[in-house]
Amino acid sequence: AQKVTQAQTEISVVEKEDVTLDCVYETRDTTYYLFWYKQPPSGELVFLIRRNSFDEQNEISGRYSWNFQKSTSSFNFTITASQVVDSAVYFCALSEAGLLQGAQKLVFGQGTRLTINP
Amino acid sequence: SAVISQKPSRDICQRGTSLTIQCQVDSQVTMMFWYRQQPGQSLTLIATANQGSEATYESGFVIDKFPISRPNLTFSTLTVSNMSPEDSSIYLCSVGTGMNTEAFFGQGTRLTVV
Repeated sequence: AQKVTQAQTEISVVEKEDVTLDCVYETRDTTYYLFWYKQPPSGELVFLIRRNSFDEQNEISGRYSWNFQKSTSSFNFTITASQVVDSAVYFCALSEAGLLQGAQKLVFGQGTRLTINP
Repeated sequence: SAVISQKPSRDICQRGTSLTIQCQVDSQVTMMFWYRQQPGQSLTLIATANQGSEATYESGFVIDKFPISRPNLTFSTLTVSNMSPEDSSIYLCSVGTGMNTEAFFGQGTRLTVV
């Protein structure tokens, strides 16, 4: 069975600090996808990144970066120079690489509530 | 990409009643997914809605409580039946449009049962 663990329930930092959100996953699939979503207080899910299991290249997008390590089954997310607007709940998720197009059924971690204080 | 319109965005319902949530997608998709997010919790998959066949429910969710319709490739409904306060949650529908895309989510329906 697939499982995603986000051990950090809540993180609170001061603005401009760097912060890393941890994500560890379990799957027996050899091909799978990993996701990060942001959920601000308004409740909608904002897509941040999707990573294929065969692509271990780390990615940077502005202040955001992701470190995918298949050897440790981790897909960590770092925010550099955090801002108050980064305050939200962040979810890591996993889906199998279904043969059927669009069959992206996600297993979510418990989420990490990130608070950036001014 | 896919744009998902979910209705209603929120509702307050009396216990014992039922609420039907609608999910409309701007393109044809094979599968639609319904998730529940209880207060302060993560998202849990309720069921997968397949066009032309019965929905596939995850463990802990049953059709009598959460009947789903999928009349065509762009629309689905989820009904929360015989509601109790424990059903107070955000309900979200989701689609995937291809093998190399994100999973798209509707804006969610925030349900409060009193």
